[in-house]
Amino acid sequence: AQSVTQLDSQVPVFEEAPVELRCNYSSSVSVYLFWYVQYPNQGLQLLLKYLSGSTLVKGINGFEAEFNKSQTSFHLRKPSVHISDTAEYFCAVSDRSGGSYIPTFGRGTSLIVHP
Amino acid sequence: DTGVSQDPRHKITKRGQNVTFRCDPISEHNRLYWYRQTLGQGPEFLTYFQNEAQLEKSRLLSDRFSAERPKGSFSTLEIQRTEQGDSAMYLCASTGRQDNYGYTFGSGTRLTVV
Repeated sequence: AQSVTQLDSQVPVFEEAPVELRCNYSSSVSVYLFWYVQYPNQGLQLLLKYLSGSTLVKGINGFEAEFNKSQTSFHLRKPSVHISDTAEYFCAVSDRSGGSYIPTFGRGTSLIVHP
Repeated sequence: DTGVSQDPRHKITKRGQNVTFRCDPISEHNRLYWYRQTLGQGPEFLTYFQNEAQLEKSRLLSDRFSAERPKGSFSTLEIQRTEQGDSAMYLCASTGRQDNYGYTFGSGTRLTVV
């Protein structure tokens, strides 16, 4: 079974600064990778996904992530954050080999943007 | 299409009562997933449907939990004899090949067992 490690439980950053949220997953032959954002008392919203092809994936709200197969990582980055980016961010991986594509989620990283 | 809908948004119940939640997925999506999320944790997989068939269940899904997806459309998740440990956010997600398996989540049902 897949596992996902989000190395930072909380990341404080000042507005307009760059940010990187780290995600590592257990190795598998082939995977789909996702980043989701969750605002308080809401469901999860898809930021971006990696299915195949280019290892640099661009998503909504100016976020991007880079798939690194050798390091089994999928770190999320944004060059300049806004107050409105304050939220919980979840990395997820689904194993393509089994056919069920069930996403496994990390524990989340709380991004706190200070003015 | 308004996305994935979950009903109710909030449910408070007394310990020992039964509760049922509903999820209406995006209409073209053939796959539907239920997750449970507790405070400070990521979503944990409960069960998965492809069309009307329940193909996989997590060990988290005790015999007090049952899920159905009649006719491959909406799904229900029932918890019998609720316990305080069942208090959580219950999330539903759906996906399909046409979305390249990008999962769309509903807003969740927050269950509080008192």
